[in-house]
Amino acid sequence: AQSVTQPDIHITVSEGASLELRCNYSYGATPYLFWYVQSPGQGLQLLLKYFSGDTLVQGIKGFEAEFKRSQSSFNLRKPSVHWSDAAEYFCAVGARWAGNMLTFGGGTRLMVKP
Amino acid sequence: GAVVSQHPSRVICKSGTSVKIECRSLDFQATTMFWYRQFPKQSLMLMATSNEGSKATYEQGVEKDKFLINHASLTLSTLTVTSAHPEDSSFYICSAPGTAPNTGELFFGEGSRLTVL
Repeated sequence: AQSVTQPDIHITVSEGASLELRCNYSYGATPYLFWYVQSPGQGLQLLLKYFSGDTLVQGIKGFEAEFKRSQSSFNLRKPSVHWSDAAEYFCAVGARWAGNMLTFGGGTRLMVKP
Repeated sequence: GAVVSQHPSRVICKSGTSVKIECRSLDFQATTMFWYRQFPKQSLMLMATSNEGSKATYEQGVEKDKFLINHASLTLSTLTVTSAHPEDSSFYICSAPGTAPNTGELFFGEGSRLTVL
């Protein structure tokens, strides 16, 4: 079965600084990979996804992520963080055999200092 | 894009009562919907897969008699928490695949926060 680990429970960065959120997955083949963002009391919004092809994927709000098969990682990055980026971020993995069923990581709460 | 809507967004009820949460796909048809539960400051845990026209599939440890799921049409799935107790208080989120099946991509509702007094 697939699993997802987000090592950092909380991260605090200053506004304008760069950001990297870590995500490691466990799966026997090439998975589908996703990053979602959740604002307090809200549902989840898709930031970006990787299905195949180019391992560097661009998402909304200036986010990008890179799939590294050798490291089983799919880290999320943003060159310059805005105060509105403060939220909970979830990495998720889907198995190609399992249709649309996703397994989520534990989440990383991002706080942005002014 | 695909839009999924949940109602109500917040509900408070007394212990022992039942609460129904609706999940609708607004601009597409969803033969499958997923119900997740999220405890405070925790990740999403899949509760069950709702299938239009057939019984829901529950994850291990989820009581099917406690959490009744009905997928009445191609755009509506409902989750009923029966005889709710304070430990059922949680954030419930539904999701549905969009128009690209078997890609793993899901569209999420806004979530429903249940508080049982």
